Amino acid sequence: QKEVEQDPGPLSVPEGAIVSLNCTYSNSAFQYFMWYRQYSRKGPELLMYTYSSGNKEDGRFTAQVDKSSKYISLFIRDSQPSDSATYLCAMRNTDKLIFGTGTRLQVFP
Amino acid sequence: DAGVTQSPTHLIKTRGQQVTLRCSPISGHKSVSWYQQVLGQGPQFIFQYYEKEERGRGNFPDRFSARQFPNYSSELNVNALLLGDSALYLCASSSPGKETQYFGPGTRLLVL
Repeated sequence: QKEVEQDPGPLSVPEGAIVSLNCTYSNSAFQYFMWYRQYSRKGPELLMYTYSSGNKEDGRFTAQVDKSSKYISLFIRDSQPSDSATYLCAMRNTDKLIFGTGTRLQVFP
Repeated sequence: DAGVTQSPTHLIKTRGQQVTLRCSPISGHKSVSWYQQVLGQGPQFIFQYYEKEERGRGNFPDRFSARQFPNYSSELNVNALLLGDSALYLCASSSPGKETQYFGPGTRLLVL
């Protein structure tokens, strides 16, 4: 079993839709949770960073962590074609990040 | 401020050759980490360096090595290249006491 599981998609939604991206994890020692966005053939770009259970909002993005269920989510409101990318969840274990496989998102006009 | 920079952007090598990849962290960041990202997968941790010392190593063979210089830049070396080493190699830097890592654009390595 992988430490971090993420549905690879692809996920295709119309512009303006609400997108929900999810990851589950098995290691209860994970304390820091991140979401990265990666455009094709580019490096990952940090979107959101959370520490505790609960919600964190930044513009159209909301990150949610449920440590009791070992489940994290990223919600994108009013999705735009420019949001089309691969979204990677990552969890910090000591000094390294453990990534999910990434979910490919396509937002069509 | 400039972000993490990496060079070269692309590289083509043949099996058995050796390669050196370079990374310059964000100004003020003292920690550099290296990751390998195979197509369709998330990045896999290779090394972390802090203040020129290795602080962590992932599950990679000894053909992979790295070092960090006094100016906090870093090199990743891979010897005896295999076809399976073809990947995007990412460098990330982080600030002391901060948990977040910021990634460079990566070096795309193709081994033929």
